[in-house]
Amino acid sequence: DVVMTQTPPSLSVAIGQSVSISCKSSQSLVYSDGKTYLHWLLQSPGRSPKRLIYQVSNLGSGVPDRFSGTGSQKDFTLKISRVEAEDLGVYYCAQTTHFPNTFGAGTKLELK
Amino acid sequence: EVQLVETGGGLVQPGRSLKLSCVASGFTFNNYWMSWTRQAPGKGLEWVASITNSGGSTYYPDSVKGRFTISRDNAQNTLYLQMNSLRSEDTATYYCTRGFAYWGQGTLVTVSS
Repeated sequence: DVVMTQTPPSLSVAIGQSVSISCKSSQSLVYSDGKTYLHWLLQSPGRSPKRLIYQVSNLGSGVPDRFSGTGSQKDFTLKISRVEAEDLGVYYCAQTTHFPNTFGAGTKLELK
Repeated sequence: EVQLVETGGGLVQPGRSLKLSCVASGFTFNNYWMSWTRQAPGKGLEWVASITNSGGSTYYPDSVKGRFTISRDNAQNTLYLQMNSLRSEDTATYYCTRGFAYWGQGTLVTVSS
């Protein structure tokens, strides 16, 4: 199975600060079609997860452009510019290139 | 507007069975693969099963293979998860998802005697 390693496990930030979350996979996430199926999700407290970014760098519908994703092969990063209160929660990376689909353990973003 | 509404969760004894349903609306159901993902209390996310848009192929992780069966009724826009031989470690909120783009509100399954 592909192991997704997310760091850090938690982040304490001030509103307006910028942060980055790392996600590394144990195998390349490039599929046979040439695309990379690495996604970022946010689970706000008490809510279902919401997709922020798909295929490394594509913004999901309605997601503000303060969020951005970069990376390739096995090394990926989510950046949040100018954190707002609504951004707090647990961030997960996920891969759907390989079965079984797997998730990172999560990064909890909290207010400083 | 895409909506996914799960039902069927509840308290069940170890070794027993339970069937979850997910009614989809707001999109052409038979055009999309569908999946179930679960989250144990206070824990992270775990993919449970996926099914192709026709229902012709299904996929599972080893943790549920042979015990869980995903299926769909495209005429009824409904996704199912039949869970047999339930274990305490299957206790979780089960989410119906369309890719990871859309998630239902989840239904809680508790396996306990």
